[in-house]
Amino acid sequence: KAGVTQTPRYLIKTRGQQVTLSCSPISGHRSVSWYQQTPGQGLQFLFEYFSETQRNKGNFPGRFSGRQFSNSRSEMNVSTLELGDSALYLCASSFTDGEKLFFGSGTQLSVL
Amino acid sequence: GENVEQHPSTLSVQEGDSAVIKCTYSDSASNYFPWYKQELGKGPQLIIDIRSNVGEKKDQRIAVTLNKTAKHFSLHITETQPEDSAVYFCAALFRVNDMRFGAGTRLTVKP
Repeated sequence: KAGVTQTPRYLIKTRGQQVTLSCSPISGHRSVSWYQQTPGQGLQFLFEYFSETQRNKGNFPGRFSGRQFSNSRSEMNVSTLELGDSALYLCASSFTDGEKLFFGSGTQLSVL
Repeated sequence: GENVEQHPSTLSVQEGDSAVIKCTYSDSASNYFPWYKQELGKGPQLIIDIRSNVGEKKDQRIAVTLNKTAKHFSLHITETQPEDSAVYFCAALFRVNDMRFGAGTRLTVKP
């Protein structure tokens, strides 16, 4: 069974640009969560989707958004990038209840 | 707000010794507490979890204990090996689909 797949693996952007990250969950998993990981702040919860609906959202500005498609694949978008958005963005999937999370390897975003 | 505190931030042990990482959580309604191991260049991987109706759970060299009254839980690794070196995260499920993580502990096992 394939794991959680995140693309791209690395991304370099400049301030003011926008970026879209992609996540394919484990087959059969319907819940997808997104986290931002930085050395100073650890793992910060962004949002969670289930059956194309956002069920939960963390304390991030509106520049961070996401969506989920009917096949459970998810994307997150960050608009008007700031230097502080440089981080590892992790996607995690679970069957339905968001408990046993399976993480992808992440997308390392660098904002210059 | 809802949070999870984790200590220590770094831990260095000699191969064969035990390692203990401790976490506290703020929301008494939390009922699910997983531990994750993150190796360099990879995402966190679930290694063990415990529910609030259980005080202790063991899986080979890894054990987790939970004190729900005191709102703290701990990870115990016995007979540590160099391959145990990684960053470990505790977490608590504060409400459905809202998992909050501790800041992480960098464990180094010296041969």
